[in-house]
Amino acid sequence: QTVVTQEPSFSVSPGGTVTLTCGLSSGSVSTSYYPSWYQQTPGQAPRTLIYNTNTRSSGVPDRFSGSILGNKAALTITGAQADDESDYYCVLYMGSGISVFGGGTKLTVL
Amino acid sequence: EVQLLESGGGLVQPGGSLRLSCAASGFTFSNYAMSWVRQAPGKGLEWVSAISSSGGSTYFVDSVKGRFTISRDNSKNTLYLQMNSLRAEDTAVYYCAKAATGVAAIDYWGQGTQVTVSS
Repeated sequence: QTVVTQEPSFSVSPGGTVTLTCGLSSGSVSTSYYPSWYQQTPGQAPRTLIYNTNTRSSGVPDRFSGSILGNKAALTITGAQADDESDYYCVLYMGSGISVFGGGTKLTVL
Repeated sequence: EVQLLESGGGLVQPGGSLRLSCAASGFTFSNYAMSWVRQAPGKGLEWVSAISSSGGSTYFVDSVKGRFTISRDNSKNTLYLQMNSLRAEDTAVYYCAKAATGVAAIDYWGQGTQVTVSS
């Protein structure tokens, strides 16, 4: 069974730039996996940041961007702010209607 | 404004059933695929099921196949998740979600409804 991999945790300084990645236990991520990224703070519903690799969801500031870097999908946050401290999840489309989430990355801004 | 409002969660005994509903508004419901995503206590997000815009195609994670059914009533702008033979490991917050395009990408989420399976 294919596992979607994410860094368990990451830290960034206020104003800094951080890139979170989303990979596969076997194989490379491409745009054909339609990678998406979601932000979630404790006790809240997820919020969509990016879908279809690099399309920003409505209302999402342009300091959030998505891409393919090497063999992984990537979410880059530039000019990190305190309220960016959240859990970030990626999801990959495996085909035949099936999607799989990564385990999530806990981002700390300090 | 897109709104997704889940209902139907609650406490149920192992082996029992629940039907979740998701009332949608603010968009043309019949044009979009919909999904259910769950989150167990202290755990990450898990994709559970999706349904095409017409309802003609449905998809499930292996752990719920044969136990859960997804359906929609496009005349009522409502999505459903029928959950049978519930297990303790089905305990989670269940989120209704709207697809952006196809069935793969979610752009809007509901606030979630809690399902607890316990004796």
